[in-house]
Amino acid sequence: ETGVTQSPTHLIKTRGQQVTLRCSSQSGHNTVSWYQQALGQGPQFIFQYYREEENGRGNFPPRFSGLQFPNYSSELNVNALELDDSALYLCASSSPGTGTGEKLFFGSGTQLSVL
Amino acid sequence: GNSVTQMEGPVTLSEEAFLTINCTYTATGYPSLFWYVQYPGEGLQLLLKATKADDKGSNKGFEATYRKETTSFHLEKGSVQVSDSAVYFCALAPHNAGGTSYGKLTFGQGTILTVHP
Repeated sequence: ETGVTQSPTHLIKTRGQQVTLRCSSQSGHNTVSWYQQALGQGPQFIFQYYREEENGRGNFPPRFSGLQFPNYSSELNVNALELDDSALYLCASSSPGTGTGEKLFFGSGTQLSVL
Repeated sequence: GNSVTQMEGPVTLSEEAFLTINCTYTATGYPSLFWYVQYPGEGLQLLLKATKADDKGSNKGFEATYRKETTSFHLEKGSVQVSDSAVYFCALAPHNAGGTSYGKLTFGQGTILTVHP
């Protein structure tokens, strides 16, 4: 079991609403990456935060935004929810430059349903 | 852009059978390659990795060799167990001198493996 925790575990929203998902990274990890995993698909990279700044983004529209806090925890915000946003959202932490730098530690995810 | 293609699944095997899950990739430069596993009810875990051509990653009896000439990273295990039942994902990270690239993975669609006693 990793030290990455995500909240909430499940969430139901309606189209057009906004949602905030939270991720507490493993102790000492300064990098958080967010992924969207649709049912039956592999995870897709949304963006990464490194030392509180966005450090790379996948092919997702600007209504997907994020934050990283001084304690390296992170939020994923999605505005104007669409039905296709229904998915499992995963966060993963890592600590580049250390002994485990190349290893991602994934949380169990937040299951978002948009009705 | 980068992409990863895995063999169509699911795969169903008897215990002690030989396993191969095919993975091919498209990428610029020299990506790092990974296999991740998702056991029922658990989060994704790194199974093995290879960071340059001809490297062989191995863990828990699983192996995969980075073949640049065929752009492949096939996963193999000589004798599977019931406990190996899980979803397996092939993934690549872009070439980057820094370590943060390992967080920017491109995943395949996953292969469901079921092993029967």
